[in-house]
This record gives sequence, C-alpha cells and structure tokens, in this order.
Amino acid sequence: EDKVVQSPLSLVVHEGDTVTLNCSYEVTNFRNLLWYKQEKKAPTFLFMLTSSGIEKKSGRLSSILDKKELFSILNITATQTGDSAIYLCAVKLGGSNYKLTFGKGTLLTVNP
Amino acid sequence: DVKVTQSSRYLVKRTGEKVFLECVQDMDHENMFWYRQDPGLGLRLIYFSYDVKMKEKGDIPEGYSVSREKKERFSLILESASTNQTSMYLCASSQDYNSPLHFGNGTRLTVT
Repeated sequence: EDKVVQSPLSLVVHEGDTVTLNCSYEVTNFRNLLWYKQEKKAPTFLFMLTSSGIEKKSGRLSSILDKKELFSILNITATQTGDSAIYLCAVKLGGSNYKLTFGKGTLLTVNP
Repeated sequence: DVKVTQSSRYLVKRTGEKVFLECVQDMDHENMFWYRQDPGLGLRLIYFSYDVKMKEKGDIPEGYSVSREKKERFSLILESASTNQTSMYLCASSQDYNSPLHFGNGTRLTVT
C-alpha cells in the first residue's frame, strides 16, 4: 500500500525561528512530490519536486527531494505568524495514475 | 489565476437526505477531483474525472457518486447522507496529468 508520512504532526515555534518539516514516502512508481499550504480554506500549491537534490525556493520557503532515501523536507526561515497553517505533502504516481496520495499534514503554529 | 468554486461553504443535512455538492472551475481544466478531509486521516480521494462524462473511483467511493456533464462542472452526490459522511469536502482541478491540483475553498458538511 502506498504511504506518505509527515512529521512532526504539529509544531509550535516563535516568530523568527527556522522550521523543517519532513515527508517520507513508500510508493510504487514514484513520479513527483508536492507541497501545499492550507490555512482556513483551500490548500494552495507551494512546490512540485521531481528530481533529487534540486532545491526549489520561494521567498523564505524552500524544499528538496531525496529519491534515494525517499523523503523530502520543507524549510521555512524567519517564520512569521502568517506561516501558521497545515502543510500537506502529497506524492504523485507514474503511469496513467492520476491519484495524489496525501500525508496527514503538519500543523505549524507560529506565535508572536 | 485558476478559480475553483464550491457552491456552499457550510451545509447541514439530515440523515437519509440526498445531497449535491457542486464544483465549478474556470480554467478549462481536463481533470477534476473530489476529496474529503478528516482530522487524523488527511485528504482521501473519493472520485475523479479526466474528461466529460468520464469518472474513476478513488480510495473511498462507497456512498458517493459523481456527475460531469460539462467540462467545467463536477458534482458530488450523496445518495442517502449518513452521519459518517460529516466532513470537509474539497474539490480540485488540474490542467493535465503533470500539473499540480488547484483546490476550492471546501464545503463543510454536517449530517445530523
């Protein structure tokens, strides 16, 4: 059975801290891995990672994939209260499979 | 920007009622998806559609059906609502097989 595991499940930090969120996976026929941020409503797309070792960066957020060790990390530097959200990791399978398998998410709370 | 619109933000229905959840996207996307999101379980795929009138079961299709008569609209139907279908329902669309999903704001359904 395909599995995506995120850790930690929840995390509380202070503004200005740096956080690292983890996502490991065990799937057949991996194609790519995606990160989403979910505040009160719709998950919004952050990154899609396909190749190992290539960092994707957007402002204070960055992410990297390790296809040998089957995991990805999402880093947030200089956190702000607006970073408080659930961060979702999802894996897309290859072939003709349209399905995304999601992890349970990491709830990040950034306190002022 | 892609817009995925779900017709209701909150919905309260009685056990046994037939429930329609509507979703419309405005970007001519081929693929549309229905997920439900529950605490501790993450996002789980109910049904998806890769073309008009085409549908495929996801991981948890029992108790649900879908309809896609037009490309922009994907409806989720609960034939006879039950209390265990109380959940957050998220609709999503994607341009093609390799593109990330864009989510709607969700419908929080309560079945009493």
